[in-house]
Amino acid sequence: DTGVSQNPRHKITKRGQNVTFRCDPISEHNRLYWYRQTLGQGPEFLTYFQNEAQLEKSRLLSDRFSAERPKGSFSTLEIQRTEQGDSAMYLCASSLASTYNEQFFGPGTRLTVL
Amino acid sequence: DAKTTQPTSMDCAEGRAANLPCNHSTISGNEYVYWYRQIHSQGPQYIIHGLKNNETNEMASLIITEDRKSSTLILPHATLRDTAVYYCIVGDTGTASKLTFGTGTRLQVTL
Repeated sequence: DTGVSQNPRHKITKRGQNVTFRCDPISEHNRLYWYRQTLGQGPEFLTYFQNEAQLEKSRLLSDRFSAERPKGSFSTLEIQRTEQGDSAMYLCASSLASTYNEQFFGPGTRLTVL
Repeated sequence: DAKTTQPTSMDCAEGRAANLPCNHSTISGNEYVYWYRQIHSQGPQYIIHGLKNNETNEMASLIITEDRKSSTLILPHATLRDTAVYYCIVGDTGTASKLTFGTGTRLQVTL
């Protein structure tokens, strides 16, 4: 399968714990995006990488959130000291910088903070 | 990015054409219209995009009005598998290229 993959698919954690999610984009894609989606809402942009450079961060991305893409391939999104309001679906997408913004999304990681 | 307005929900009989409207009256000259859909429990899926000309691909057709203030996504022969939330998004292909999703239109295809 050459699509975008995300792990884990589901994560349940207690408030205050740290969690880390992984995204593996389509191999030749140089752009990688993270979005967050809560129930009944469309996805909201969090951050975006071109190769290993993080080029934009949303104001939604508080200091507790950090994302990396160390070698320009896979990416991780870490949430420190989780809060119940962090419960959401975290979506990763990738694209080629040369195409018209056709983003390919992964299946998402559903986070539940108890 | 320009804001879009879509109906909250629509129904369509299987086999019939589904016409999903979108208003984007504040669209600027360099902004494209994109359509994505999200089937339950899956990530969004790209459908089609256009600037000012009508576009067609294997999934759908996109009709953009001459003033570019509105558009319609057409699924020519809707099937039950087309039941999803459909998002109309306006944006350019600049360096950021993030997608700004609204709440979309929930399309229910019925027998």
